[in-house]
Amino acid sequence: DVVLTQSPLSLPVTLGQPASISCRSSQSLVHSDGNTYLTWFQQRPGQSPRRLFYQISNRDSGVPDRFSGSGSGTDFTLTISRVEADDVAVYYCMQGTFWPWTFGQGTRVDVK
Amino acid sequence: DVHLVESGGNLVQPGGSLRLSCAVSGFTFSPYWMGWVRQAPGTGLEWLATISQDGSAVYYVDSVRGRFTISRDNSKKSLFLQLSNLRAEDTAVYYCGRLQLHSLDYWGQGTLVTVSS
Repeated sequence: DVVLTQSPLSLPVTLGQPASISCRSSQSLVHSDGNTYLTWFQQRPGQSPRRLFYQISNRDSGVPDRFSGSGSGTDFTLTISRVEADDVAVYYCMQGTFWPWTFGQGTRVDVK
Repeated sequence: DVHLVESGGNLVQPGGSLRLSCAVSGFTFSPYWMGWVRQAPGTGLEWLATISQDGSAVYYVDSVRGRFTISRDNSKKSLFLQLSNLRAEDTAVYYCGRLQLHSLDYWGQGTLVTVSS
């Protein structure tokens, strides 16, 4: 199975400062159709996960533009340009290229 | 608005069975692949199963293959997950979701399954 390794697992941040989460895959996530199915989810406390980005960097509706997704192949990054209180959550990457689809361990973002 | 509502979670003894349901509204159900994901208490997410639009194609993760069965009823706009031979490690919140571009774009609120004697 494809292993996704997120780092850091815990990220204390100062409001207004940037934050960055890495997701590294055990193999390239380029699908045979040429697309890369790497997704980012946000899970706020007590809520279901919410999709933020699909295919690396395509932002879902309603996601603030202070969030961005980037990367290629095996290395991917979720960046928050200026963290707000509303961003306190656990963030997961997920690959949908190879079955079984798998998730990273999650990165907990909270305020210092 | 798109809504997915899971139900059927409960306390069940090891070796027991449950049937989870997911009722959807706010979109045309039949054209979409659907899936189930679970989250054990305090831990991360695990993709369990996926089903095609007409139910002819199903995929399972190894940990549940042979014990769980995914199905759907397009006339009732409902998705199901039959859980059998349950183990303590199956204790989790179970989420249904709509597949779009190889991930879930909408999730339900989840239903809790607790396996314990």
